[in-house]
Amino acid sequence: ETGVTQTPRHLVMGMTNKKSLKCEQHLGHNAMYWYKQSAKKPLELMFVYSLEERVENNSVPSRFSPECPNSSHLFLHLHTLQPEDSALYLCASSQKGVGTQYFGPGTRLLVL
Amino acid sequence: AQSVTQPDIHITVSEGASLELRCNYSYGATPYLFWYVQSPGQGLQLLLKYFSGDTLVQGIKGFEAEFKRSQSSFNLRKPSVHWSDAAEYFCAVGAWGGYNKLIFGAGTRLAVHP
Repeated sequence: ETGVTQTPRHLVMGMTNKKSLKCEQHLGHNAMYWYKQSAKKPLELMFVYSLEERVENNSVPSRFSPECPNSSHLFLHLHTLQPEDSALYLCASSQKGVGTQYFGPGTRLLVL
Repeated sequence: AQSVTQPDIHITVSEGASLELRCNYSYGATPYLFWYVQSPGQGLQLLLKYFSGDTLVQGIKGFEAEFKRSQSSFNLRKPSVHWSDAAEYFCAVGAWGGYNKLIFGAGTRLAVHP
């Protein structure tokens, strides 16, 4: 595998479910990011992990819980989501400091 | 604060025509700048980037962009558009140092007519 991978690619969940999104980067980077992309809205940065430490949390509701167990893996744990949370969730990685962000293909989430 | 404006939400061009997508940024120092492309249901793919040096940068798929400090612009161009270029294009600006936070524009959706 090369680049940034995300699983699952598609996810349908009810509002009472708990699920997790997974991101893995094979680029040797040390920073990872979660973005939310909704229809007709700009790309929203949710969380940033740098050297496995969370360095930014952009007022994201607590029903989204990130986890970064090592520099190659990033998770987004989801629980009691709302229909407005339906979106494409994108993961990216880069080198800390000046570096290009490389994106995964995204997980399309639908909350019923 | 940093910001990015892409004035055109939708652009339609004919195949073979030239293309220019506009991007204006707001940043207090020299930024670093990116253009990404996104096909439907896919992630963002890097087209090109500007960090320093030559203000005209070449990217993949025949795209180029020019950094104009005086106009705070980083417009994307392609001399001859192909039908496969139909996608959404995002401009982004980043700040030196820190953890490499990027600010994205709202995107420009490109349609290509045969």
